Amino acid sequence: DAMVIQNPRYQVTQFGKPVTLSCSQTLNHNVMYWYQQKSSQAPKLLFHYYDKDFNNEADTPDNFQSRRPNTSFCFLDIRSPGLGDAAMYLCATSRRPWTVLTNEQFFGPGTRLTVL
Amino acid sequence: QKEVEQDPGPLSVPEGAIVSLNCTYSNSAFQYFMWYRQYSRKGPELLMYTYSSGNKEDGRFTAQVDKSSKYISLFIRDSQPSDSATYLCAMKGGTSYDKVIFGPGTSLSVIP
Repeated sequence: DAMVIQNPRYQVTQFGKPVTLSCSQTLNHNVMYWYQQKSSQAPKLLFHYYDKDFNNEADTPDNFQSRRPNTSFCFLDIRSPGLGDAAMYLCATSRRPWTVLTNEQFFGPGTRLTVL
Repeated sequence: QKEVEQDPGPLSVPEGAIVSLNCTYSNSAFQYFMWYRQYSRKGPELLMYTYSSGNKEDGRFTAQVDKSSKYISLFIRDSQPSDSATYLCAMKGGTSYDKVIFGPGTSLSVIP
């Protein structure tokens, strides 16, 4: 089945210790997104890639970086995690970022990050 | 004021009840309205979408949009325990590159 896979599902890191979250997709979609979702809050878009074109949201802290080495994989790097970065991180894909009909986003199961 | 507001619940109903989930929004530029369902420890999945005002029905689910009131609803008929999840409304403007704005979600429990 075509899908969006996130690894690991649960990640524990220490305050200030860099961490990398992984997302892969078998949908061959052009767009990959990273969202941060805190408990009982809306998913917050951090950035997205349209093919190799990186689009950062204006309010995404510099502490968050992303890499997309190929169509299938995208990584979220948190350079110095703080306690406030503890959240669920959701990866999503879509064929195009244009109209909603082609913008249906397919989400992975998420990685729950704990910062000690 | 947040762009999209949603009562977080939790909402608890008996099996078979009609459920009404609602969102209000402030941005009159929103044209596309979506409902996502998110099961515990899973990512959101798209349930339904509508364009502009009106109703859309899909099985037990009906989505309504009232742009004049900036209010959208999702109705679930004959609710089932398998409907227990968090429901997020989401909205998007009508131009290219408009990003999807999510509501915080309403947690629903359907009790057998």
